[in-house]
Order: sequence, then C-alpha cells, then structure tokens
Amino acid sequence: AQSVTQLDSQVPVFEEAPVELRCNYSSSVSVYLFWYVQYPNQGLQLLLKYLSGSTLVKGINGFEAEFNKSQTSFHLRKPSVHISDTAEYFCAVSDQVGAQKLVFGQGTRLTINP
Amino acid sequence: DTGVSQNPRHKITKRGQNVTFRCDPISEHNRLYWYRQTLGQGPEFLTYFQNEAQLEKSRLLSDRFSAERPKGSFSTLEIQRTEQGDSAMYLCASSSSGANVLTFGAGSRLTVL
Repeated sequence: AQSVTQLDSQVPVFEEAPVELRCNYSSSVSVYLFWYVQYPNQGLQLLLKYLSGSTLVKGINGFEAEFNKSQTSFHLRKPSVHISDTAEYFCAVSDQVGAQKLVFGQGTRLTINP
Repeated sequence: DTGVSQNPRHKITKRGQNVTFRCDPISEHNRLYWYRQTLGQGPEFLTYFQNEAQLEKSRLLSDRFSAERPKGSFSTLEIQRTEQGDSAMYLCASSSSGANVLTFGAGSRLTVL
C-alpha cells in the first residue's frame, strides 16, 4: 500500500526567503508524484508532477521539486516566496500513470510573513 | 469551459437526514472522481467513474454512501442517514482517459449537527 508523509504540518517563513516543504512516500511499485496547492475556498490546483525522466521538475509559480528514489522523497522548493504563496500544500502519489487514485499527505500550511 | 462545478457549496443538515451533492465535470473529461477531506487532513479517495461505469470504490464508502453517473456526464453523491462523522469537504475531480492530471472542483462542505 502506498502512503505519503508530509513532515511539517506548518511552515512559517518571511517574504522573499527560500522555502522547502518536505514529502516522503512509500510504495512498492513505480510511483508518480504530484504537488497540489489549495488556496482558501478554492479547489486543489496542480503545481507540478513527476512521471518519469529528469528528477528535477519545474512547476507553476516558481516552484520546483526533486524526485529522490533512494530517499523516497519529493521535496518542494521555492527560492523566494511571496505573500500570495500562503496556502495549503499537498503531496500525492499514484501507482498508475493515469493517476486514477491519488494518495495524499496530510498537507503543509505555508504562511508567509511580511 | 468553467471547470469542475460542485453544488451545493455548503450544506448543513441534522443527523439522520439524507444529503445529495452534484458534480459537473469538464465536458470533455470521461473520468470523474470523488474524494473526501476532513479538517486538517489530505483528501481521501472515495470512488471513480469512467463514463457511466463506477470502476473502483474505497472501503471508506460505506453502504450509506452511493454515487452515480447515469449518463456519463454529471455525477451525484448521496449520503443516507448522515452521521456527525460524515462532516467533511467532498471534492470532485475529472480527467481524460490516460491523462495524469486531475482537475478539482471547489468542493461541497457538509456539516452534520
């Protein structure tokens, strides 16, 4: 069975500082990894995904993530955050390329302080 | 295209009542998914459809829950005899076959008193 652990439930950072949101997964088969963002009162929006190929994945809004198979991690990073990045971030894994059934982590609330 | 639409956005009901949520997916998407998100947790998979066929159901979907997609377009999720533990955000998502990205709606929040 697959599982996802987001190691930090809350991450406060100052505006323009770098941030890393951590995600570890467990799966016995091939994995497809995703990061979603949820702004207040909105649906989840895809930030980026890893399916195959380059382990460094670039997404929207300046975010990127690196797939590390040996450490079973898929951490999300941004070199300089903005107030508008304040949101809940979810890491998810699927064992099917069609992503029919995503397993989500518990989420990390990113708070940007001025 | 207006994206994935869910109605109602909020529903408050008394324990024991039945509730129904509707999801209108992106029109060209033939796959439709339901997830449940409780406070402080990530979404949990409930079920998914390809066209009108319900292909997988989670153990979370007890016999009080039923989902339908009669014509392969919109879907309904009904909860019978609601319990306080059913209080959650119910999320709908859609995708095309073979696509690896789900488009989520804004969700329907259920509060059971």
